[in-house]
Amino acid sequence: DGGITQSPKYLFRKEGQNVTLSCEQNLNHDAMYWYRQDPGQGLRLIYYSQIVNDFQKGDIAEGYSVSREKKESFPLTVTSAQKNPTAFYLCASTSGVGYTFGSGTRLTVV
Amino acid sequence: DQQVKQNSPSLSVQEGRISILNCDYTNSMFDYFLWYKKYPAEGPTFLISISSIKDKNEDGRFTVFLNKSAKHLSLHIVPSQPGDSAVYFCAASGGYNTDKLIFGTGTRLQVFP
Repeated sequence: DGGITQSPKYLFRKEGQNVTLSCEQNLNHDAMYWYRQDPGQGLRLIYYSQIVNDFQKGDIAEGYSVSREKKESFPLTVTSAQKNPTAFYLCASTSGVGYTFGSGTRLTVV
Repeated sequence: DQQVKQNSPSLSVQEGRISILNCDYTNSMFDYFLWYKKYPAEGPTFLISISSIKDKNEDGRFTVFLNKSAKHLSLHIVPSQPGDSAVYFCAASGGYNTDKLIFGTGTRLQVFP
């Protein structure tokens, strides 16, 4: 079955630590995206990549970093510079306009 | 600046009645609109879409209406069912970034018996 896999589903991080969220897709989609969901704020774009080895900042990229070394993979690192990292993170991919989403990772800073 | 707005954060509807979810946008370059449904702790799933060359698209119980002059779209669910209870996001794309969807803030729909 084709789809997007995000792992882990739940992640706890101590303040000051970096953490990496995984996103893998087997849909052969060129473009991949990271969104963050907070209550009352909808989905906000963190980073996106339209092709391997290239990515662009979204609306809220500060404190995050990404890489796109393989077409299938688009990991997101939440760095210690991110002031409010506790949120639900969603990865998506597309070959056109509509997106396919992963099931998300809930990150909690403790 | 919020280019896609869903001004109603929540909506409560009785089972069997019609649910109407609204969405407004500001960018006249948007030419494709989508609705996504999201359950808690899950990723959004695609529901229905509409191109700007149409003013209506129907799929079973779900119909999306587009009013380009008013920059407004709406999702109608008839009849509403308890399983429809979820958060609904509208999204838009177009202009220079046709691969980048801009999402609204979402409307939480609750369908009660």
